[in-house]
Amino acid sequence: EVQLVESGGGLVKPGGSLRLSCAASGFIFSGYSMNWVRQAPGKGLEWVASISSSSSDIFYGDSVQGRFTISRDNAKNSLHLQMNNLRADDTAIYFCARDRGIASAALAYWGQGALVTVSS
Amino acid sequence: EIVLAQSPATLSLSPGERATLSCRASQSVGTYLAWYQQKPGQAPRLLIYDASNRATGTPARFSGSGSGTDFSLTISSLEPEDFAVYYCQERSDWPRLTFGGGTKVDIK
Repeated sequence: EVQLVESGGGLVKPGGSLRLSCAASGFIFSGYSMNWVRQAPGKGLEWVASISSSSSDIFYGDSVQGRFTISRDNAKNSLHLQMNNLRADDTAIYFCARDRGIASAALAYWGQGALVTVSS
Repeated sequence: EIVLAQSPATLSLSPGERATLSCRASQSVGTYLAWYQQKPGQAPRLLIYDASNRATGTPARFSGSGSGTDFSLTISSLEPEDFAVYYCQERSDWPRLTFGGGTKVDIK
């Protein structure tokens, strides 16, 4: 059974940093691209970042470019999101999600999410 | 940047009725379109990929259609567990993802 479990969320002050992690199991982690998607309270879904299976290709949404860094450790089946210079509008539930397959348009599996609150 | 417009924002229907949700792209996305269902306090769940293919575990009452700029998700007969928010998502410029604003299907 595919499982994605996020951790590392919490309350942080504006300008602060936080590192999210996603522990993956139940599939060959090194074979899939991974993604972070966020959802502000009461709002819709927003793509944050994607990383290819070998980390050779990394992409970010415009709102986090230059502040967030996505990374992965295939030996430890883990995905990370380093978030720096956090702003109030970064407050959201952050989901890690796995691509359905190679070059697939869809995200087939999602974690339960980690809540990040940016507030003074 | 591609924009996905979902309509209506809210659809009020009764169990057993047919639901038709629309997703329109600002430019062609081919068939690189997916549909998700999200219930309160839960992560999104993939229902349909590549515009018309049901994901594993998606009941047959859900169907997707369309290509290019106009897509629809149809629920042939609403079950009580189908009342939720539905999002469309495109990925024509892989790996960038864009989501629509969502359609809430609630009980009339």
